[in-house]
Amino acid sequence: KQEVTQIPAALSVPEGENLVLNCSFTDSAIYNLQWFRQDPGKGLTSLLLIQSSQREQTSGRLNASLDKSSGRSTLYIAASQPGDSATYLCAVYQGAQKLVFGQGTRLTINP
Amino acid sequence: DTAVSQTPKYLVTQMGNDKSIKCEQNLGHDTMYWYKQDSKKFLKIMFSYNNKELIINETVPNRFSPKSPDKAHLNLHINSLELGDSAVYFCASNHGPNTEAFFGQGTRLTVV
Repeated sequence: KQEVTQIPAALSVPEGENLVLNCSFTDSAIYNLQWFRQDPGKGLTSLLLIQSSQREQTSGRLNASLDKSSGRSTLYIAASQPGDSATYLCAVYQGAQKLVFGQGTRLTINP
Repeated sequence: DTAVSQTPKYLVTQMGNDKSIKCEQNLGHDTMYWYKQDSKKFLKIMFSYNNKELIINETVPNRFSPKSPDKAHLNLHINSLELGDSAVYFCASNHGPNTEAFFGQGTRLTVV
């Protein structure tokens, strides 16, 4: 059974810092991996989809990496801003149709 | 312009009632999903439909019945609501296996 873990559960950093969010999964037989952000009381916003054959995917200040063999993905956020404050969720596609989620990292960027 | 929209956004109801949540996507996707986010913020899949056909039913109680009248709509009907059904329910869609999923804003269901 696939389990996805995100560490740390919460992170608070000053504005302008670069930071890394971690995601690990127990079964390396995944298809693709997707990162989302969730703002309080809101839905999920897709940030990046990284395919199982890729090692990296970039979108603006965000860079996601994937190492299937070690069961890890990281989300790098450059030059953090207060607007980046949200919960970041990692999810892996297991069995093609099904996303298995981690419990998220709650990120606070302090002005 | 909302890509995946759910109604209602909030739903408060008494135990034993029957309620429905509606979902529509205008992205032209073939696959739609229902996910449940519990009080600990943990998201878990409930159902998946591909072009109106049920693909995944993740051991959800029979009181939950999804219905897809066409590939742009996936509704969730819940019978005999229980306190434990209180959660946020998210609808999502994508083009098919392993493709980028897009989520609605969620429906916060509170059973009292």
